[in-house]
Amino acid sequence: EVQLVESGGGLVQPGGSLRLSCAASGFDFRNEWLTWVRQAPGKGLEWVANIKPDGSEKYYVDSVKGRFTISRDNAKNSLYLQMNSLRADDTAVYYCARDWGYRMDDWGQGTLVTVSS
Amino acid sequence: QSALTQPASVSGSPGQSITISCTGASSDVGGYIYVSWYQQHPGKAPKLMIYEVSSRPSGVPDRFSGSKSGNTASLTISGLQAEDEADYYCSSHTGSSTPYVFGTGTKVTVL
Repeated sequence: EVQLVESGGGLVQPGGSLRLSCAASGFDFRNEWLTWVRQAPGKGLEWVANIKPDGSEKYYVDSVKGRFTISRDNAKNSLYLQMNSLRADDTAVYYCARDWGYRMDDWGQGTLVTVSS
Repeated sequence: QSALTQPASVSGSPGQSITISCTGASSDVGGYIYVSWYQQHPGKAPKLMIYEVSSRPSGVPDRFSGSKSGNTASLTISGLQAEDEADYYCSSHTGSSTPYVFGTGTKVTVL
């Protein structure tokens, strides 16, 4: 059974930083793309970033380029999202997802990030 | 990359069929077979319902079907059931530096 468990969310002040983690199990982690998707309160889904199996390619939505960094540790079956220079409009539930064949097959339960003073 | 356009809400009675549209451009929906649909119940994570325009993952009822014509994709739910009441999002591959875009989302209400 595929499991994706996000952690690391919380309350942070504007301009601050936070690192999200996603622990994965139940699939061939080191050979699959992974994705972060976020959802602001009461709003729709927004794709944020994804990363190639070996970490050599990374893509970001324009609004987070230069502030967020996606990374992975294949030895630990873990995905990360380092978020810097956080803004109020980054407030959202952040989901990690298994990105297979241009679709998101499996999703974690999400972790809430709140940016507020 | 702008969000794909979906109707804000669609409703139907149990047993009826409803269709949700998802309109994009030739650079996303119109240019690729990689259109997916996700179902999200309140407070829950999204669930993949349709991929590659019309394919269903294992376990998804065949009441759910997908299609595409030009720059518009559609999700049809036949024989609507109470548990189908949820938000639905389309998504498309874009082939750009932002490889995915989601739709604006549609709230399905079962009357």
